[in-house]
Amino acid sequence: QVQLQESGPGLVKPSETLSLTCTVSGGSINGFYWSWIRQPPGKGLEWIGYIYYTGNTNYNPSLKSRVTISVDTSKDQFSLKLSSVTAADTAVYYCARGPRGQLVHFAYWGQGTLVTVSS
Amino acid sequence: DIVMTQSPDSLAVSLGERATINCKSSQSVVFSSSNGNYLAWYQQKPGQPPKVLIYRASTRESGVPDRFSGSGSGTDFTLTISSLQAEDVAVYYCQQYNSFPWTFGQGTKVEIK
Repeated sequence: QVQLQESGPGLVKPSETLSLTCTVSGGSINGFYWSWIRQPPGKGLEWIGYIYYTGNTNYNPSLKSRVTISVDTSKDQFSLKLSSVTAADTAVYYCARGPRGQLVHFAYWGQGTLVTVSS
Repeated sequence: DIVMTQSPDSLAVSLGERATINCKSSQSVVFSSSNGNYLAWYQQKPGQPPKVLIYRASTRESGVPDRFSGSGSGTDFTLTISSLQAEDVAVYYCQQYNSFPWTFGQGTKVEIK
């Protein structure tokens, strides 16, 4: 059973860059699309973007100018960088994957990690 | 962007009774090459990530109790819990994955009356 685990700083200062990593276990990162999704406290879900294991990406236009998603297949990890953060970027950040190597719904999720933007 | 609008925002249902949640998309979520509706339903309990219940509008995920069912096509969809159990208290989200950016509904909170 594939498992995903987010890691990274829980506190980021305004204007700095948020950096998170998702480590995949119980399966390979190869052959799949990997997404980042976020959820502000008490609010709904927002898809940030995905990366294919080959490195192809697709970002939400609302965040595209600030987002970079990268992959390290040798470590079965993929990462999120979000630049110039503000308090509005405070959220639980999830990594997720579809059930197969297709761009469909999210079948596997990490537990999520809360990132607070504050000085 | 496709806007997903759920109704109601919250509902309280007695144990054993039916709960119905609606989801309307601003554009069709039918995937042209397959004629499938690219619409999923998720359940999220406090402190947990969302869990997929239904995909392709009406296909139940493996292991999901059969009291959960999805229906609808095009722009109008429904999630039905046929007999509400205590463990079904959660927030439910619909999501379209037909076109980018993928978008979610605002969520519907289900409670026990």
